[in-house]
Amino acid sequence: DQQVKQNSPSLSVQEGRISILNCDYTNSMFDYFLWYKKYPAEGPTFLISISSIKDKNEDGRFTVFLNKSAKHLSLHIVPSQPGDSAVYFCAASGSGGGADGLTFGKGTHLIIQP
Amino acid sequence: DTAVSQTPKYLVTQMGNDKSIKCEQNLGHDTMYWYKQDSKKFLKIMFSYNNKELIINETVPNRFSPKSPDKAHLNLHINSLELGDSAVYFCASSASNYGYTFGSGTRLTVV
Repeated sequence: DQQVKQNSPSLSVQEGRISILNCDYTNSMFDYFLWYKKYPAEGPTFLISISSIKDKNEDGRFTVFLNKSAKHLSLHIVPSQPGDSAVYFCAASGSGGGADGLTFGKGTHLIIQP
Repeated sequence: DTAVSQTPKYLVTQMGNDKSIKCEQNLGHDTMYWYKQDSKKFLKIMFSYNNKELIINETVPNRFSPKSPDKAHLNLHINSLELGDSAVYFCASSASNYGYTFGSGTRLTVV
């Protein structure tokens, strides 16, 4: 049973426009959410995170929004750049601390078109 | 200065063989992990080690065994390899709930 779902396998966005990647989760014990970016043949790299006590976190062009009641989070990238083309993974962790590891979604392949 | 390094990057081996993948982190993190990314692209946790103790052990076959000689290393040993073990294996480390750093992955192909 997937506890973290990314329902869009791929997303194509024009350069300069906004990219919106969505993620849903089912486990109400999750209290910390992260987005990772992955290029081919490389490991996932941390992008941005949000604690469940917040509903928004912003870092430069990247903003993550969390709607706890809907168990939904989204990553906004604006403006989108060619280097943003990658697979984006949504991940979640519970209150068990780092030892519990992360639960990942299946990823969304973002393609930025020139 | 790679923070989490794993070797080899690619591993092709025959069914039935025993192989190991090594992982080292120089971040001083307390917890290290092994994740498996299967053909469906799911990243799933396999093991974690905290201060040389196994903390979680997901439902993986006992042919897989993590070994941690010290806090900076977590190696993955796989016995009697099967075709279904083909995947990309990622090592990761963290100091807390919030700072995970991944290695670049080991693509294992069992033929």
